[in-house]
Amino acid sequence: GQQVMQIPQYQHVQEGEDFTTYCNSSTTLSNIQWYKQRPGGHPVFLIQLVKSGEVKKQKRLTFQFGEAKKNSSLHITATQTTDVGTYFCAGSNDYKLSFGAGTTVTVRA
Amino acid sequence: DAGVIQSPRHEVTEMGQEVTLRCKPISGHNSLFWYRQTMMRGLELLIYFNNNVPIDDSGMPEDRFSAKMPNASFSTLKIQPSEPRDSAVYFCASSPAPGLAPEQFFGPGTRLTVL
Repeated sequence: GQQVMQIPQYQHVQEGEDFTTYCNSSTTLSNIQWYKQRPGGHPVFLIQLVKSGEVKKQKRLTFQFGEAKKNSSLHITATQTTDVGTYFCAGSNDYKLSFGAGTTVTVRA
Repeated sequence: DAGVIQSPRHEVTEMGQEVTLRCKPISGHNSLFWYRQTMMRGLELLIYFNNNVPIDDSGMPEDRFSAKMPNASFSTLKIQPSEPRDSAVYFCASSPAPGLAPEQFFGPGTRLTVL
């Protein structure tokens, strides 16, 4: 079945620095979604990418969908303490989302 | 809109007891999902309903788990009998329509502890 791998599992970032989390699928995806879960909270939808090579930005967050639609990345610039949480990618080929294990981000002030 | 509503928010029970988790999806959403989240296994899809009909229950761990959706505004996930390994956070999520997997709106979750 479809598997979505996400790396790194943990990311410790100095406030103000940039980082990237990566998502890879074993199969071609029709779309990929990204969610953020704050500590003790629930996953909250951030964005969906559908087109090959698509790039979308939300303020300091940049999301990319690979040309082959099998990988994606989330890049955060100038990390802030509000960026703390776990970022999940979720790949889809129909109704079902396959979630990656997530990248848990901690920020050093 | 109040978002997806789940109850209870926390449940502590003893092994062997029946547990019922409840979910009210966002009004107008056709799809409902139950997930389980643990440190070891991450976020797992248990069951998916579309228009109140169970479409995919391949993620339901075993016969001790059952889910129902008697109408468009209510769903339950039942565990009978419960076991310590069922301890997890259970999320309900809803989405507007099937097809190209539109965004899912998650409820706050029920943290279940089975002693």
